Amino acid sequence: TQLLEQSPQFLSIQEGENLTVYCNSSSVFSSLQWYRQEPGEGPVLLVTVVTGGEVKKLKRLTFQFGDARKDSSLHITAAQPGDTGLYLCAELVNEKLTFGTGTRLTIIP
Amino acid sequence: DVKVTQSSRYLVKRTGEKVFLECVQDMDHENMFWYRQDPGLGLRLIYFSYDVKMKEKGDIPEGYSVSREKKERFSLILESASTNQTSMYLCASRPGIDYNEQFFGPGTRLTVL
Repeated sequence: TQLLEQSPQFLSIQEGENLTVYCNSSSVFSSLQWYRQEPGEGPVLLVTVVTGGEVKKLKRLTFQFGDARKDSSLHITAAQPGDTGLYLCAELVNEKLTFGTGTRLTIIP
Repeated sequence: DVKVTQSSRYLVKRTGEKVFLECVQDMDHENMFWYRQDPGLGLRLIYFSYDVKMKEKGDIPEGYSVSREKKERFSLILESASTNQTSMYLCASRPGIDYNEQFFGPGTRLTVL
């Protein structure tokens, strides 16, 4: 099973700041998904990236897939308290998802 | 909206008890999944089912079994609960294998004493 490592494990920043979290793999991703899990809820899909070098934007969130498809990043601009949650990357392999370890993000008002 | 519901948000059981975790989805999805979530380990797949009466082992099936008698319901069974099964359990569903997105329930936090 491929190992997906996310960094940092915890991140706490002030409202309005920018941040980047990372997802890295020991081998090439087929495709990669990013989920956000808010407290007391299940994860919700934010985006799927498939092509090396691909960049997708979702309002203040920018997702980038590495050229070699072994890493991905999520950048949040002007973070807001509503961005608080656990961010999980996941790879789809053989129709099943393998999840990363997660980054727990806290935005301080 | 897709709705995945789990029978309990919180559950406390004793070691050795038989535990049933129920999951129901209302969107006629073919595939259903059970994960456990532990700090620093992400979500790990326990069992999944691609159709009624079908089940497949995931990455950590030991100590668990599942049942899918109806399309909308997928049950996770702990035959004899142990303290190392204390965890958050998440159920998910998706329309079929051609769809990448999984839809998750809110989770059941199980504590085994």
